[in-house]
Amino acid sequence: GESVGLHLPTLSVQEGDNSIINCAYSNSASDYFIWYKQESGKGPQFIIDIRSNMDKRQGQRVTVLLNKTVKHLSLQIAATQPGDSAVYFCAENIEGNQFYFGTGTSLTVIP
Amino acid sequence: SAVISQKPSRDICQRGTSLTIQCQVDSQVTMMFWYRQQPGQSLTLIATANQGSEATYESGFVIDKFPISRPNLTFSTLTVSNMSPEDSSIYLCSVEEAGPGNTIYFGEGSWLTVV
Repeated sequence: GESVGLHLPTLSVQEGDNSIINCAYSNSASDYFIWYKQESGKGPQFIIDIRSNMDKRQGQRVTVLLNKTVKHLSLQIAATQPGDSAVYFCAENIEGNQFYFGTGTSLTVIP
Repeated sequence: SAVISQKPSRDICQRGTSLTIQCQVDSQVTMMFWYRQQPGQSLTLIATANQGSEATYESGFVIDKFPISRPNLTFSTLTVSNMSPEDSSIYLCSVEEAGPGNTIYFGEGSWLTVV
């Protein structure tokens, strides 16, 4: 079956540095991807999405990169702040409403 | 995005009992889903809550254990039946919103601990 996995289960960065969270997917038919942020005690929060006809999309302090050749997705957070500390999930939409979620990366920002 | 409210937000439940979780959305949505997130793990889709008909369950989830109701386009319930400690999880309601992609948004979750 399909799998969505993250390369690094934990990531620690200094406040002010940039963070990069990676995600691999296995189904080349996946056409839509979403990054979610889940803070402790809360539900997943939509951050940014990207369709397969794009290779880059930018939001406020966040950028998602999609490399379809190697089936890799990354989330870049610029000038990481303590409030960015959370678990980040990538989600892969293969068809219809089916999403597969990665295992999550825990980001810790060191003040 | 739609505002999704879940009740209860947290509960401690006795083994063998059942608990119903409510999900209320502040606007009409076509698609509603229920996910489970076990401690320290990722999200797994339990079922799609269909308005006016039986829910569509994913592999490994059955109606007898997780009965779902969807009486209208803004409300759904998930019941966790005959609970055991293995059912201790976060149960998340989510909705799909119209747009360029099939973006799904989540409520804050219902954190259940079974003792």
